[in-house]
Amino acid sequence: GAVVSQHPSWVICKSGTSVKIECRSLDFQATTMFWYRQFPKQSLMLMATSNEGSKATYEQGVEKDKFLINHASLTLSTLTVTSAHPEDSSFYICSANRDREGNTIYFGEGSWLTVV
Amino acid sequence: GNSVTQMEGPVTLSEEAFLTINCTYTATGYPSLFWYVQYPGEGLQLLLKATKADDKGSNKGFEATYRKETTSFHLEKGSVQVSDSAVYFCALIGSSNTGKLIFGQGTTLQVKP
Repeated sequence: GAVVSQHPSWVICKSGTSVKIECRSLDFQATTMFWYRQFPKQSLMLMATSNEGSKATYEQGVEKDKFLINHASLTLSTLTVTSAHPEDSSFYICSANRDREGNTIYFGEGSWLTVV
Repeated sequence: GNSVTQMEGPVTLSEEAFLTINCTYTATGYPSLFWYVQYPGEGLQLLLKATKADDKGSNKGFEATYRKETTSFHLEKGSVQVSDSAVYFCALIGSSNTGKLIFGQGTTLQVKP
């Protein structure tokens, strides 16, 4: 079964509203989680590294105020898309490392966001 | 910086055909290499991985060998099935091992009966 769970799987929201996506590690603690974004027919691009108990580390070109990341516990990271616009419509997916070596990585199921 | 390049798709094959999807990488040191698969409407699943040179990862009939000398990690399968139709992503984690995955652009495989 899944070891990393994302919620919601699908969400439709109106322009200007905010949407929160959750990423949970189900049976292990993850001090670090990663958030990726995938545009249709394109590859996954790393958006940010979510660090438990501290600020997220954002990749170049990703707006910190637009994509708020909170990693308040060892099993939960949240991504909030603020003031969403149609161009934010995308597939968002998180990952978490199960081991210290970083080579056992589990992905969530992903979340499809459509902004109308 | 680190990067991954995959052959462009879509790749269209008949059932039981031989599959090769090329993947080359650029990285300093000794990265770990991965192949992920994404079935329609689903998230990513790890298909196989290799963590050091000359390692061969294998799963579900798929294989890939970590070739340091050619900086490659080509995916192969001897006989594809319709159920293998999906998007395949080659990826690496740099030798600093932060857990950040760098993905190739993905290759769509379509297998026809």
